[in-house]
Amino acid sequence: QQQVKQSPQSLIVQKGGISIINCAYENTAFDYFPWYQQFPGKGPALLIAIRPDVSEKKEGRFTISFNKSAKQFSLHIMDSQPGDSATYFCAASRGGYSTLTFGKGTMLLVSP
Amino acid sequence: GAGVSQSPSNKVTEKGKDVELRCDPISGHTALYWYRQRLGQGLEFLIYFQGNSAPDKSGLPSDRFSAERTGESVSTLTIQRTQQEDSAVYLCASSIGQGGSHEQYFGPGTRLTVT
Repeated sequence: QQQVKQSPQSLIVQKGGISIINCAYENTAFDYFPWYQQFPGKGPALLIAIRPDVSEKKEGRFTISFNKSAKQFSLHIMDSQPGDSATYFCAASRGGYSTLTFGKGTMLLVSP
Repeated sequence: GAGVSQSPSNKVTEKGKDVELRCDPISGHTALYWYRQRLGQGLEFLIYFQGNSAPDKSGLPSDRFSAERTGESVSTLTIQRTQQEDSAVYLCASSIGQGGSHEQYFGPGTRLTVT
């Protein structure tokens, strides 16, 4: 049973455009929702994270939107740059138990 | 400061052989996790250590997989009688632990190829 579903699998965006990646979860006990960025040959690195008590969190060009009733959350990358080209993973975990359940990833390519 | 380190970075082994993968977490991090990442897939949880508590082994795919951790430092993931489907990148992560931030810091991974 896949508890976190991520879409799309791949995404091509022009430089300066907005990249949007979506995730849906099933377990209502999840209360921590991070996004990780992974470059080839590297381990994932935390990009931004949100808890369900807020509907949106913004850090620089990166924004998480969270819809608790729909059990969905998304990552928006504004003014996408070629350096943002990477694989992005959404994840979720339950309070007091921090093992992460990951989506399958989205490969983002930002064309110059 | 130093991040999470893993060794070796690459390992090629023959089917049926045993392999050991090592993880050095960030100093002071009490929680340590192992994940497996198959080509084009997300990260799959394997095992979780938190301080001196019994590890959560619920993600280990078979009894050929085991892991140990010495106190709150180094961890070793052992795969016995490797199979071709074990080929993957094995990632280790650490975090401050219970009561602290959930942020997990990942190492660069060990790419395992079983021939």
